[in-house]
Amino acid sequence: GQNIDQPTEMTATEGAIVQINCTYQTSGFNGLFWYQQHAGEAPTFLSYNVLDGLEEKGRFSSFLSRSKGYSYLLLKELQMKDSASYLCAVRGAGTASKLTFGTGTRLQVTL
Amino acid sequence: ETGVTQSPTHLIKTRGQQVTLRCSSQSGHNTVSWYQQALGQGPQFIFQYYREEENGRGNFPPRFSGLQFPNYSSELNVNALELDDSALYLCASSLGTASYNEQFFGPGTRLTVL
Repeated sequence: GQNIDQPTEMTATEGAIVQINCTYQTSGFNGLFWYQQHAGEAPTFLSYNVLDGLEEKGRFSSFLSRSKGYSYLLLKELQMKDSASYLCAVRGAGTASKLTFGTGTRLQVTL
Repeated sequence: ETGVTQSPTHLIKTRGQQVTLRCSSQSGHNTVSWYQQALGQGPQFIFQYYREEENGRGNFPPRFSGLQFPNYSSELNVNALELDDSALYLCASSLGTASYNEQFFGPGTRLTVL
């Protein structure tokens, strides 16, 4: 089976840096995705990691350690529009490229 | 390039009824995955269709069924609706089933079962 854990809620200040952690236990591993989801909207792709290390994309970075079953999403220079849920999803083994999602971390950015 | 579209946007049904949800994949995408997202939860994988064939299924009962058409659009059918089926149903399309293929999500259909 697959299990993905991430904090339920986080609060951070505009302009600050926030790190959202995700730990996972899966049968097979074929990549880890981070998605952003604003309330009532569809998830939108942020990042994909399949090898260990840091992937940087503008204000967003994602890190993966396969041996530790651990990833984090780093958001820099926080803006009010970054208030959303952040979903960690793992693609396991098998022919179907299904994603197993965590419950999401609701981030509130305050002034 | 047209993104993933879903219809209807919202739907209200009563217990025991049947519902069909529709999804048009992004142009050029031949793979469609369906997810159920209950309030406050992450999406849960229902099944995936690749070139009109089911290509993997999650832990959902047989009353959840699907179809993919030659133009790669897809339907999700749910029979004998239960209250717990109330959720946001998301469709995601991708170009193939490889692990690196990004899935693009549609806006979802919010189903309420009374």
